[in-house]
Amino acid sequence: DSGVTQTPKHLITATGQRVTLRCSPRSGDLSVYWYQQSLDQGLQFLIQYYNGEERAKGNILERFSAQQFPDLHSELNLSSLELGDSALYFCASSGRDPNRGGYTFGSGTRLTVV
Amino acid sequence: AQTVTQSQPEMSVQEAETVTLSCTYDTSESNYYLFWYKQPPSRQMILVIRQEAYKQQNATENRFSVNFQKAAKSFSLKISDSQLGDTAMYFCAFMNRDDKIIFGKGTRLHILP
Repeated sequence: DSGVTQTPKHLITATGQRVTLRCSPRSGDLSVYWYQQSLDQGLQFLIQYYNGEERAKGNILERFSAQQFPDLHSELNLSSLELGDSALYFCASSGRDPNRGGYTFGSGTRLTVV
Repeated sequence: AQTVTQSQPEMSVQEAETVTLSCTYDTSESNYYLFWYKQPPSRQMILVIRQEAYKQQNATENRFSVNFQKAAKSFSLKISDSQLGDTAMYFCAFMNRDDKIIFGKGTRLHILP
């Protein structure tokens, strides 16, 4: 157990629907990062939050949004889902000095859009 | 923009052999961090080793070591005495002061019995 908790582990939904992925960071970590990994692809950075504030944005679609709550957990909302959104979505967290340790990843949420 | 390139999409080696995975990166920064992550079939992302750019000494973690060549912007991973459990996708990654990690496309490593 890495200490980063992602729920649900698996999600199957239909095109056009909306889903919410949840992430609880490791205790004490202030930063949360979301990544998308499509089949046999590398990880694409979506968005970063630090202590409730958006800090960096990557190639995140307008149909996607995220937020980090006061208790530091984060949610990634995916709407108007398309078949191409099927992927493994990772959440990661890091501490006050993220440069020192790199990230700790959750086990991911596998999203299948049918 | 920073980029990370892994030129070996796939490799296979016999168990107990030593294997080296290559990685190059591009940045204009002088202070940054480099990582190797392992992703086994379970798809969990596991940090294998990290290197701070200002440290000249190459990082080592048990059977895993790196060859960090800052001037050449090269960061290779050496796995000694490879084991079946080392079979995984390996990602080289770069992080600068903006805290965002950029990953390479990965090298799929097969350890053969």
